[in-house]
Amino acid sequence: GENVEQHPSTLSVQEGDSAVIKCTYSDSASNYFPWYKQELGKGPQLIIDIRSNVGEKKDQRIAVTLNKTAKHFSLHITETQPEDSAVYFCAASYNAGNMLTFGGGTRLMVKP
Amino acid sequence: SQTIHQWPATLVQPVGSPLSLECTVEGTSNPNLYWYRQAAGRGLQLLFYSVGIGQISSEVPQNLSASRPQDRQFILSSKKLLLSDSGFYLCAWRPHKNTEAFFGQGTRLTVV
Repeated sequence: GENVEQHPSTLSVQEGDSAVIKCTYSDSASNYFPWYKQELGKGPQLIIDIRSNVGEKKDQRIAVTLNKTAKHFSLHITETQPEDSAVYFCAASYNAGNMLTFGGGTRLMVKP
Repeated sequence: SQTIHQWPATLVQPVGSPLSLECTVEGTSNPNLYWYRQAAGRGLQLLFYSVGIGQISSEVPQNLSASRPQDRQFILSSKKLLLSDSGFYLCAWRPHKNTEAFFGQGTRLTVV
């Protein structure tokens, strides 16, 4: 089955700096890669996703890049703000599969 | 619009007691349904998923069971709770394969 590795497990940045979280996946059939943000005591919420026919996608301060050859994808947050502090999860799935496989999560702390 | 309800939000149960957590989805039909567990500071572990009424797939051997008595209802149960069952339980649904998952707000279970 699919295995998703996520790094780093914790990340601390100064407000205004950029943050990058990286994930690798094992199953070359995977073609859908969402990113979730989980605030304390709440369920994860989708912040951005990308499909394998696209190499990069942006939404304001958030961007995701995908390298299918290397089987890795990354989340980029620019001009970080304290409210970006949360746990972020990457995930992967494929057309015929029922499961969404998650990475281990990254705790992002943005220091004001 | 679709919504997911999960309850209770918090639960404290003694060791050996039974458990029943309920999740319902509104505004859609025949969703894929999922139960995840999140230990403190850890990632999302898939426990069960269901692609239809009465169809349950288990991802890990454990003290828990799941049932789907109705199309939009997913129940997580245990006959006798263990201390190790403590954690944050999340229900999620997906409209189709290979789409984003929508999470409930979670249930924090503490077994004492």
